[in-house]
Amino acid sequence: EDQVTQSPEALRLQEGESSSLNCSYTVSGLRGLFWYRQDPGKGPEFLFTLYSAGEEKEKERLKATLTKKESFLHITAPKPEDSATYLCAVQGSSNTGKLIFGQGTTLQVKP
Amino acid sequence: ETGVTQTPRHLVMGMTNKKSLKCEQHLGHNAMYWYKQSAKKPLELMFVYNFKEQTENNSVPSRFSPECPNSSHLFLHLHTLQPEDSALYLCASSQESILAGGADTQYFGPGTRLTVL
Repeated sequence: EDQVTQSPEALRLQEGESSSLNCSYTVSGLRGLFWYRQDPGKGPEFLFTLYSAGEEKEKERLKATLTKKESFLHITAPKPEDSATYLCAVQGSSNTGKLIFGQGTTLQVKP
Repeated sequence: ETGVTQTPRHLVMGMTNKKSLKCEQHLGHNAMYWYKQSAKKPLELMFVYNFKEQTENNSVPSRFSPECPNSSHLFLHLHTLQPEDSALYLCASSQESILAGGADTQYFGPGTRLTVL
C-alpha cells in the first residue's frame, strides 16, 4: 500500500535558522513526488514536482531533493512569511490520478 | 491565487439540508478532483473525473454526489450530511489524466469550509 510519512509534525525556527523537512514514502512505481505549501484556511499551493531519485529543484529559499525512499525540503535562512504547513504527496503507477498525502509539517518562523 | 475557483468559501448546513459546492477551473485542464481535508488528517481523495467521466470513487458515502457537466466545472451535491462531514473540501485540476501515463501536477482551489450542525 502506498504511504507517505512526514516529519517533524511541527517545527519552530528563528528567522535565518536553516533546516530540513522530511518526507518518507513507499509507492509502487513512483510517477512523481509533489511538495505543496498550505496557509491556514486556504488550498494547497504547488511548489515542486520531482520525478526520479537524484533530482533537485529550487525556488527562492526552498530546495527539494529526492531519493528512492525519501524527499527533503530544505529551507535556507527562512523568513516569517515562510510560516505555513508543507505537504508532501506521491503519485504511483497503480493509482489513477490519485495523490497520497502525508499529514504535513507545520513550520513557524519567528522574527 | 490559482486558476481554480470554488464557491461558496464557507457553508453552514443542517443535517437535513441539501446544498451544492461548485468548482471552476480556468487552466484548460482535462481532469478534476474532489478532496476532503479534516483536522489532523491527510487530504483524502474523494472523486476523480477525466474528460467529464468519473474514473474514481474512493468509497465515498452516497450522501456526497459529484457532477461534472464539462471539463471546466465540477459540483459536489450534499444531502443528509453528518456532523463528522464537517471539513475543508478542496477541488483540484490537472492537465491530463494519469491514464495517459506519467505524473501530472494538480492545482488546488481555495476550498469550501463546510460545517454541519
